[in-house]
Amino acid sequence: GAGVSQSPSNKVTEKGKDVELRCDPISGHTALYWYRQSLGQGLEFLIYFQGNSAPDKSGLPSDRFSAERTGGSVSTLTIQRTQQEDSAVYLCASSLNGLAGAQFFGPGTRLTVL
Amino acid sequence: AQTVTQSQPEMSVQEAETVTLSCTYDTSENNYYLFWYKQPPSRQMILVIRQEAYKQQNATENRFSVNFQKAAKSFSLKISDSQLGDTAMYFCAFIENNAGNMLTFGGGTRLMVKP
Repeated sequence: GAGVSQSPSNKVTEKGKDVELRCDPISGHTALYWYRQSLGQGLEFLIYFQGNSAPDKSGLPSDRFSAERTGGSVSTLTIQRTQQEDSAVYLCASSLNGLAGAQFFGPGTRLTVL
Repeated sequence: AQTVTQSQPEMSVQEAETVTLSCTYDTSENNYYLFWYKQPPSRQMILVIRQEAYKQQNATENRFSVNFQKAAKSFSLKISDSQLGDTAMYFCAFIENNAGNMLTFGGGTRLMVKP
């Protein structure tokens, strides 16, 4: 079946602009995760959605970052007033039920903030 | 706090030979899961192998196997009969059972398989 998909693949934006990154999880997976991969920080957890429960936002680095998941499927990560330090690859993953099961990753969105 | 350490930033191996990537972790929990992920230049993170902490038997997946030493908190990955397609970044990762949230990743090991 289809894997996790993300769009866009690459995004270049100017400092101060808002960006939206999209993630389509594997069909039937109830858990969805966002991670950020940057040169200086490695792979960092950002946010986690499980079914209809309130998301775990403990990894979001600032209030400029937000995410939503509509209808328990597609998720959008929004970064407002982008800064150069936001430049990174943003990875989305999904898992069947979030109970420490294997997470399957999308190809990521490379964000470059000029 | 959970931490995962990969002490080998880069490694190389000749094609068809065997290589072992090291990983150690720190946790106060007894129930958890460990993973190895592969990230080739395409950027896609691919699950290689998964180990449940409550299982003593080491997980294997074709040419990939792990040496899980729970007391030592060590989780190394052995790649047998290395192939050129194995060239990638390899990340060790950890998650607590029933935590349901984030994977904690090591810093990665860049593996190059040489012809």
